[in-house]
Amino acid sequence: GNSVTQMEGPVTLSEEAFLTINCTYTATGYPSLFWYVQYPGEGLQLLLKATKADDKGSNKGFEATYRKETTSFHLEKGSVQVSDSAVYFCALATGANNLFFGTGTRLTVIP
Amino acid sequence: ETGVTQTPRHLVMGMTNKKSLKCEQHLGHNAMYWYKQSAKKPLELMFVYSLEERVENNSVPSRFSPECPNSSHLFLHLHTLQPEDSALYLCASSQAGIRETQYFGPGTRLLVL
Repeated sequence: GNSVTQMEGPVTLSEEAFLTINCTYTATGYPSLFWYVQYPGEGLQLLLKATKADDKGSNKGFEATYRKETTSFHLEKGSVQVSDSAVYFCALATGANNLFFGTGTRLTVIP
Repeated sequence: ETGVTQTPRHLVMGMTNKKSLKCEQHLGHNAMYWYKQSAKKPLELMFVYSLEERVENNSVPSRFSPECPNSSHLFLHLHTLQPEDSALYLCASSQAGIRETQYFGPGTRLLVL
């Protein structure tokens, strides 16, 4: 079946620290992969995406590379800011109407 | 108003009540979605409407009833809910298919007593 597993939080980092949030997936076919972010009191918004193997999605200093050989799409940022505090969701889409999310990872960045 | 809006933002209801959640998108999209977000669980896709036709149900209990009168509006009608239905209900919209970027509303926080 299709599923997404992401690292459990919460994750607490100091400002300017390096961030990695792990995401692995199981999918039939050739999925598209996404990272969504949810800031406090808001809905989810797309952070970045990749549609095929070896693609790298990037936005706002965040990056993730679609690794088919390890079925992973880990989110990274070299230097986090307080404003990056949010919940991050990894997701995959396969087929016509199937979209699967992970459980979310809460990130808190302290000054 | 821009983006995806949802009303009400908060709702408290008893198990015998009937209520409706409303979603409106101002992005010109032709697909809309309902999700349930519960603590410690993955976001659950409940319903998908594409071109105003329901294309995915995902085995949601019949006490949840969606309605999509046009491409800009989506409703979720609720009746005889259970306490375990308490959650954040998110609406989203996109162009033509689930691989496209989805735009989410802020959600309705529902508490069933």
